Amino acid sequence: DAKTTQPNSMESNEEEPVHLPCNHSTISGTDYIHWYRQLPSQGPEYVIHGLTSNVNNRMASLAIAEDRKSSTLILHRATLRDAAVYYCILQETSGSRLTFGEGTQLTVNP
Amino acid sequence: GAVVSQHPSWVICKSGTSVKIECRSLDFQATTMFWYRQFPKQSLMLMATSNEGSKATYEQGVEKDKFLINHASLTLSTLTVTSAHPEDSSFYICSATAGTADEQYFGPGTRLTVT
Repeated sequence: DAKTTQPNSMESNEEEPVHLPCNHSTISGTDYIHWYRQLPSQGPEYVIHGLTSNVNNRMASLAIAEDRKSSTLILHRATLRDAAVYYCILQETSGSRLTFGEGTQLTVNP
Repeated sequence: GAVVSQHPSWVICKSGTSVKIECRSLDFQATTMFWYRQFPKQSLMLMATSNEGSKATYEQGVEKDKFLINHASLTLSTLTVTSAHPEDSSFYICSATAGTADEQYFGPGTRLTVT
């Protein structure tokens, strides 16, 4: 499985945008870039995914570098409920297994 | 939509006994289900992948005779921890995919404590 690298932790203020980076320099041409988040004592929650183009949904935006070796998850206005561990994961094929790394612990300050 | 439930949400059992955890897709048919384990302050570790009607595929290092997985229908998969020991105490999480959808839908997790 191709590996991703994320900062251990990040802080943000409420109602400000948050940019969560992810490096995946060994990504293959067919790997999907997925983001999930996990609140304490809960199962992970799907956030967004993409292949080559930038993606937007109601939760977040995903900006993918042109060479696909990095991506950024963008939360446009952080709320206290966005405090969670965010995982950037490469998925080899659609519907296949996910390998979770350590993720980024996001703290949102009021 | 795309809700996955787990039962029980927490369980305490004695060492040497077996525990069954259920994972259900409530509003969709799950072609594939995954089982994960998460120890405190650690990330999720994939244990096995199961497809309906087929034997589960276990990750390296996961004992298939200890962690029995049954995926008898498109909405139900079960994980049985046999002869549980205190080191099996963990947070067990299942997920499911629907057809050709890319994302996985996760259950809320089951907290297992073996005394």
